[in-house]
Amino acid sequence: GDSVTQMEGPVTLSEEAFLTINCTYTATGYPSLFWYVQYPGEGLQLLLKATKADDKGSNKGFEATYRKETTSFHLEKGSVQVSDSAVYFCALSGVNTGFQKLVFGTGTRLLVSP
Amino acid sequence: NAGVTQTPKFQVLKTGQSMTLQCAQDMNHEYMSWYRQDPGMGLRLIHYSVGAGITDQGEVPNGYNVSRSTTEDFPLRLLSAAPSQTSVYFCASRGTPKISGANVLTFGAGSRLTVL
Repeated sequence: GDSVTQMEGPVTLSEEAFLTINCTYTATGYPSLFWYVQYPGEGLQLLLKATKADDKGSNKGFEATYRKETTSFHLEKGSVQVSDSAVYFCALSGVNTGFQKLVFGTGTRLLVSP
Repeated sequence: NAGVTQTPKFQVLKTGQSMTLQCAQDMNHEYMSWYRQDPGMGLRLIHYSVGAGITDQGEVPNGYNVSRSTTEDFPLRLLSAAPSQTSVYFCASRGTPKISGANVLTFGAGSRLTVL
């Protein structure tokens, strides 16, 4: 079945450091790929998405590129802020479930210190 | 526009008790779903509904019941709570993909349930 693998956390960075959170997936065909973010005490919010190969999703300085050849969708940000501290989830929606369901990774906690 | 509203935010139950987690959305979304979030496991789908009167099982449906009598509401029932159901529960909804774009879910703030 479809699955998503994310790097283990927590990821601890200083403010203004470069961020990469790795995400790889297993799915049939061309799934849609997502990054969701969960701030403390809140529900998940969509951060960015990509629906076809080579698409780049971007939002709030975060970027991720849909790489079909490496089945990856790594999240990057050039300069993190303390306010970026949160849990980040990679997710996919694929043809195996008729695009009805989202399959989530286990989440990666990011801690940014001043 | 409230989005997705979940109640209660916190609940403590004893083993064997029953309860209902409420979920309501005011966006006229056809699709609604329930996930549970556990440490190291990410989010796992419990049940989902593609419209009023239609429900289906997700990845971890055992011990939970749902119904969808209206477009707005999608309650999750625990019939006989067990400690393994201690978790944070999220309700999420989605509009028509052509409008909302792909499978973009809107989440509620969550309900933290502890079963003793």
